[in-house]
Amino acid sequence: NAGVTQTPKFQVLKTGQSMTLQCAQDMNHEYMSWYRQDPGMGLRLIHYSVGAGITDQGEVPNGYNVSRSTTEDFPLRLLSAAPSQTSVYFCASSRALGGELFFGEGSRLTVL
Amino acid sequence: QQQVKQSPQSLIVQKGGISIINCAYENTAFDYFPWYQQFPGKGPALLIAIRPDVSEKKEGRFTISFNKSAKQFSLHIMDSQPGDSATYFCAASDSNYQLIWGAGTKLIIKP
Repeated sequence: NAGVTQTPKFQVLKTGQSMTLQCAQDMNHEYMSWYRQDPGMGLRLIHYSVGAGITDQGEVPNGYNVSRSTTEDFPLRLLSAAPSQTSVYFCASSRALGGELFFGEGSRLTVL
Repeated sequence: QQQVKQSPQSLIVQKGGISIINCAYENTAFDYFPWYQQFPGKGPALLIAIRPDVSEKKEGRFTISFNKSAKQFSLHIMDSQPGDSATYFCAASDSNYQLIWGAGTKLIIKP
């Protein structure tokens, strides 16, 4: 029972590079979301999805894209990485919007 | 008005003592208040949650106290153990269901 799986766990990018953080869940959850965690700032919502084919912006969406082609997968794309995107990124899912969130173990991204 | 203010930023408690973490909010529409626990290298996990129709909820050594008039809620950890050492986040949401998170409290329990 894997739960929420994120890859990669660590990544170093140069400014301007693009990359995709992968997130997959095997709990058949409708709701999936991406957060970034920065020291002293808690968790901030980047994008979320309430089901396949439906995505919406959260609190800090600029510089990130998402898509939800299947219930299981919710990748986060950085189009042109900037040092301000250095952070730990968490993917989370729940049975429905407002339900208990189940988090992955995080992806630590450093942008030089 | 959307903020959730959490204090203290860090906390050191002796083993067996009581750990207390406080959160305050402004938005009176918030109606769900969870606490999440995060160990190093892991994602947060739901610890306990409360809705404003009750003033207290207890699960084992963990208790949420809720003061609706003061717009405050707190987490109490009784008989704190070294295994409780983690970062704790409070959060709140309204009918839109999106959580607003506190900044987190790093709790260290000294043996």
